[in-house]
Amino acid sequence: AQSVSQHNHHVILSEAASLELGCNYSYGGTVNLFWYVQYPGQHLQLLLKYFSGDPLVKGIKGFEAEFIKSKFSFNLRKPSVQWSDTAEYFCAVNGGNAGNMLTFGGGTRLMVKP
Amino acid sequence: GAVVSQHPSWVICKSGTSVKIECRSLDFQATTMFWYRQFPKQSLMLMATSNEGSKATYEQGVEKDKFLINHASLTLSTLTVTSAHPEDSSFYICSAPPGGTSTDTQYFGPGTRLTVL
Repeated sequence: AQSVSQHNHHVILSEAASLELGCNYSYGGTVNLFWYVQYPGQHLQLLLKYFSGDPLVKGIKGFEAEFIKSKFSFNLRKPSVQWSDTAEYFCAVNGGNAGNMLTFGGGTRLMVKP
Repeated sequence: GAVVSQHPSWVICKSGTSVKIECRSLDFQATTMFWYRQFPKQSLMLMATSNEGSKATYEQGVEKDKFLINHASLTLSTLTVTSAHPEDSSFYICSAPPGGTSTDTQYFGPGTRLTVL
């Protein structure tokens, strides 16, 4: 079975600081990788996704993530965060025997201080 | 992008009553929908996979008689929490992949907050 771990549960940054959120998954086969964001009081929205090709994926709002197969990682990055990036971020994986079923990491709650 | 709606967005009920939550794909057909539960400050936990025209597939530890799922059409799945108790209070979220394949992005509903008194 797949499992996804996010190392940072809570992150507090000042505006303009750089961000990197870790995500590691356990499944060794072909996987599809996602980062979702949940802003306060809103539903989950897709930030970016990786299916194949260039392992450096660019998403909305200046976010990017890099798939490193050898490390089973898909870390999320943003060079300069804004107060509006305050949200909870979820890494998710599907594919292989699990098909469409998404397995979520525990989430990382990001707070950006103005 | 594809839109998934849920109704109601918030429900408060007495212990022992049943509550039905609807999940609709508004501009696409979904042969499969997923139901998740999210506890405060925790991640989403998959409860079950709803399959149009067939029985739902429940994750380990989820009581199928407690959480009844019906996927009656290609745009509607319902989750009924039967004989709800306070420990069932949670945030229930559905999702659907428009194309039905694993590479599809899943679109999430806004969630339904259930409070059982």
